[in-house]
Amino acid sequence: SQQGEEDPQALSIQEGENATMNCSYKTSINNLQWYRQNSGRGLVHLILIRSNEREKHSGRLRVTLDTSKKSSSLLITASRAADTASYFCATGGGAQKLVFGQGTRLTINP
Amino acid sequence: DAMVIQNPRYQVTQFGKPVTLSCSQTLNHNVMYWYQQKSSQAPKLLFHYYDKDFNNEADTPDNFQSRRPNTSFCFLDIRSPGLGDAAMYLCATSRIGLAGADEQYFGPGTRLTVT
Repeated sequence: SQQGEEDPQALSIQEGENATMNCSYKTSINNLQWYRQNSGRGLVHLILIRSNEREKHSGRLRVTLDTSKKSSSLLITASRAADTASYFCATGGGAQKLVFGQGTRLTINP
Repeated sequence: DAMVIQNPRYQVTQFGKPVTLSCSQTLNHNVMYWYQQKSSQAPKLLFHYYDKDFNNEADTPDNFQSRRPNTSFCFLDIRSPGLGDAAMYLCATSRIGLAGADEQYFGPGTRLTVT
């Protein structure tokens, strides 16, 4: 079963705008990760945030983690057409595997 | 430069005809995973190997088997494919650290069609 729930399921914005996606989870975690998947391709790791971290940046990406609310958000600033993809959050516990959310389909309109 | 390689990229098989998908990695990671992903859904973990230890997910059908002959290679065998097994199959690798699950590196996937 999937632990992560992502919101919204689909998001369509204009190029240059910011995109925010949210992820909620149910159990305790060691880390939370975000992945991008272009249509028909494999997933690409974007960023990992550990349970003792609250915010992390990577280029135009900003991830926040609130363990008290069991939620995370991914912000993409100054969006580009190439950011069009599906974005998945994944939670890592003490075991060797990740549990993926259902994903957010992001469309950037030129 | 490819780190996780999946062959073939597209596979067509007949209903009930065994098929094998392959994955290789150049990262020397100790964990390899197989996921099934259907259209507009999240990847669903089928099983994974931690070194030579095989870990099957509880809801993975018996129809799906896997082999890992060495660190670099892992195979997914579908013994009798049904129409419902048509999907994208993703292989991933990871290096497990002290804190548990680390980032995973995915291959490009194999799109399986069952006719």
